[in-house]
Amino acid sequence: SQTIHQWPATLVQPVGSPLSLECTVEGTSNPNLYWYRQAAGRGLQLLFYSVGIGQISSEVPQNLSASRPQDRQFILSSKKLLLSDSGFYLCASTQGYEKLFFGSGTQLSVL
Amino acid sequence: AQSVAQPEDQVNVAEGNPLTVKCTYSVSGNPYLFWYVQYPNRGLQFLLKYITGDNLVKGSYGFEAEFNKSQTSFHLKKPSALVSDSALYFCAVRDSNTGFQKLVFGTGTRLLVSP
Repeated sequence: SQTIHQWPATLVQPVGSPLSLECTVEGTSNPNLYWYRQAAGRGLQLLFYSVGIGQISSEVPQNLSASRPQDRQFILSSKKLLLSDSGFYLCASTQGYEKLFFGSGTQLSVL
Repeated sequence: AQSVAQPEDQVNVAEGNPLTVKCTYSVSGNPYLFWYVQYPNRGLQFLLKYITGDNLVKGSYGFEAEFNKSQTSFHLKKPSALVSDSALYFCAVRDSNTGFQKLVFGTGTRLLVSP
């Protein structure tokens, strides 16, 4: 089965600083990759998805961007963080119509 | 566009009693339905899925869910709750007409099982 590696587990950043969260996937090739954000321990909001290298789709307008430089690598970035970017960020992977595999998440606090 | 509703923010049940966590969905095509569980400060774990076939789906940890097409529901059930089942539960749906495997989640239901 797939394994999703996400780091760091927690991150505290000042407003206006840059952000880079990395996600790598093991145990599969050519997966569909996703970034979700979870606010206040509740609903998940789909931020970005990717069907292949260099192919990124954004679900909501925001201060964040995503990139997929390699087949099993997905990066979430920001040039300047806002307070509203705080949340729990989850990377996920799937193939076909099967289940999503999730990483353990990154808790981002912007102060 | 597909959507999922979990009408209960929290469900409280005593240990040993049956539990139900409700989910309804809306899709234009055929639904692919999923339940996930999340423990504090962790990623989501897959419980079960419905793609096609029997309406009653059995999953991990003794959970099951019943697909009801006429009511567009996919309620999660367990015959006898455990304290360790206390967690946040998410229902999710994928629309066969979407063309891309986009999974939309509900807002989550917190299950609290008391001893």
